[in-house]
Amino acid sequence: GEDVEQSLFLSVREGDSSVINCTYTDSSSTYLYWYKQEPGAGLQLLTYIFSNMDMKQDQRLTVLLNKKDKHLSLRIADTQTGDSAIYFCAETTKTSYDKVIFGPGTSLSVIP
Amino acid sequence: DTGVSQDPRHKITKRGQNVTFRCDPISEHNRLYWYRQTLGQGPEFLTYFQNEAQLEKSRLLSDRFSAERPKGSFSTLEIQRTEQGDSAMYLCASSTGHRVGNYGYTFGSGTRLTVV
Repeated sequence: GEDVEQSLFLSVREGDSSVINCTYTDSSSTYLYWYKQEPGAGLQLLTYIFSNMDMKQDQRLTVLLNKKDKHLSLRIADTQTGDSAIYFCAETTKTSYDKVIFGPGTSLSVIP
Repeated sequence: DTGVSQDPRHKITKRGQNVTFRCDPISEHNRLYWYRQTLGQGPEFLTYFQNEAQLEKSRLLSDRFSAERPKGSFSTLEIQRTEQGDSAMYLCASSTGHRVGNYGYTFGSGTRLTVV
């Protein structure tokens, strides 16, 4: 079935790297996403990775996918206070191909 | 185009009343989705439309919930006989193409419903 898990909280110092982890259960995942939600706002798509890729880099963001372990991570380099938000891991699968399934979100706090 | 718009931003209603929310998607997006988000949780899928056709409804969507997209443009979500458990953020999203794929969604800012 479809299940996406994340740790709920992460705290880092400004300038350090943040790594947010996610695990999923459905081996038929097609696309995996990272969304960001700031307080009082909707979700913003940060980046995505296709399931046949291992890594994707986009400026300060690096996404790593370990398909064998069904593990996805998001690394934010040089974390800034403006990166404080909730980060959602999400997927589409061959069974849910028409919709996105979200994890519970990781609240990232950046300490100045 | 200013993105996905939702109205109202906030709604406070008494238990037992009916409420209706509106979503205006990005104009060229043919897919429209409704999600519900409660505090500390990720968005949960409710239903989605391709053009005016409602293609899937979650088991979360009880008989008190109904959604429409009559002309394939804006959509409404109505909740009848609201209950305190309906209190949540209701998010609308839209996407282009036949599959979500690498486009992901564009979300609106949501409608926060409080049932008292």
